[in-house]
Amino acid sequence: AQKVTQAQTEISVVEKEDVTLDCVYETRDTTYYLFWYKQPPSGELVFLIRRNSFDEQNEISGRYSWNFQKSTSSFNFTITASQVVDSAVYFCALSEAATGSQGNLIFGKGTKLSVKP
Amino acid sequence: DAGVIQSPRHEVTEMGQEVTLRCKPISGHDYLFWYRQTMMRGLELLIYFNNNVPIDDSGMPEDRFSAKMPNASFSTLKIQPSEPRDSAVYFCASSLGGGGAYEQYFGPGTRLTVT
Repeated sequence: AQKVTQAQTEISVVEKEDVTLDCVYETRDTTYYLFWYKQPPSGELVFLIRRNSFDEQNEISGRYSWNFQKSTSSFNFTITASQVVDSAVYFCALSEAATGSQGNLIFGKGTKLSVKP
Repeated sequence: DAGVIQSPRHEVTEMGQEVTLRCKPISGHDYLFWYRQTMMRGLELLIYFNNNVPIDDSGMPEDRFSAKMPNASFSTLKIQPSEPRDSAVYFCASSLGGGGAYEQYFGPGTRLTVT
């Protein structure tokens, strides 16, 4: 069965620190997709990144970077030089490509990040 | 382009009343999803549509919940009768395609409180 685990419930850092949010997933499919979403205090869910199971290349977007490792079933998210505006709940999600699961996102419980000035 | 639009943003109702939540997906998106977010259960999929047809409603909690998509630009989620345990934030999302190959874009959510 598919499952996403975000073991860190809450993380608190001071501005300019680097922080890594962990995500471990379980799936029996060979083709699947991994996502990160951000939910700021205002409540909306903001898409950050999508990665497919055949592309293990790490990705960097500004201060954000993602490390996908199939060997450990992990898709970790690092924020470099964190800022107060990064304070939010971050969700990792999994979607399998198998018929019958067309686009169903399985979300982790989320990690609440607090960045203090 | 406008994102996913949901209304109302907040709804407070009394137990037993009917509640209707509305969603307008992003134009051109073929998939529409309804999610519910609670502290206890997190984000969970209720139902999703492809080209206005319900594909999987296994997440709908019980018969009190129903969803429709009469056309490509409008969907409703109805709860009748509502109960206090239905209090949650309900999100609508849409995507260009399915199979997980396309990201879902979420609306701002409707915060439902049933007293």
